[in-house]
Amino acid sequence: EAQVTQNPRYLITVTGKKLTVTCSQNMNHEYMSWYRQDPGLGLRQIYYSMNVEVTDKGDVPEGYKVSRKEKRNFPLILESPSPNQTSLYFCASSLRAWEASGNYEQYFGPGTRLTVT
Amino acid sequence: EDKVVQSPLSLVVHEGDTVTLNCSYEVTNFRSLLWYKQEKKAPTFLFMLTSSGIEKKSGRLSSILDKKELFSILNITATQTGDSAIYLCVTGGGADGLTFGKGTHLIIQP
Repeated sequence: EAQVTQNPRYLITVTGKKLTVTCSQNMNHEYMSWYRQDPGLGLRQIYYSMNVEVTDKGDVPEGYKVSRKEKRNFPLILESPSPNQTSLYFCASSLRAWEASGNYEQYFGPGTRLTVT
Repeated sequence: EDKVVQSPLSLVVHEGDTVTLNCSYEVTNFRSLLWYKQEKKAPTFLFMLTSSGIEKKSGRLSSILDKKELFSILNITATQTGDSAIYLCVTGGGADGLTFGKGTHLIIQP
């Protein structure tokens, strides 16, 4: 089954304790992306990756790191989490970032609800 | 700056009503417009629109794009409580590839 998986689904942690949220897709997609969703602000892009070893900042990259060592995995790293990073996080993937056909359909993971106290 | 504006932000209707959700956009190098439905989980894909005036339909849902006036509408007829969700409008194109609207929160009352 084609899917994007994220782990963990729920996480409560304390300020400053490093954490990693994993994201994996089984569709051989080139493009992967991380979003955070906050009430009143909608979905905002944190980082994206066009392909292996190619990553770039989205709209709200501060406080986050990513890596793309393999095509299927795109972990999100919070080196020193702070309470303002409490949010719902989604990982997504698509075949490519954009194509001549403009086919952008993204597959979203189930979400990770992170609380930083 | 690329932007997508959805209206209304919130809408409460009774079961059986028809609703129209609006999405206007200003995006450089526009390629396509997508609608997603989001319940208490990740967004699920509804429609992708690339050409003006061609209606896409799926059951009680339909959507159309106007590239001249830079907007799209999503119609839901004979609404059901299961249609309650946040509906996201997303455009493809521009420097960062995707621009998200804030969503319309639709509540269907029995």
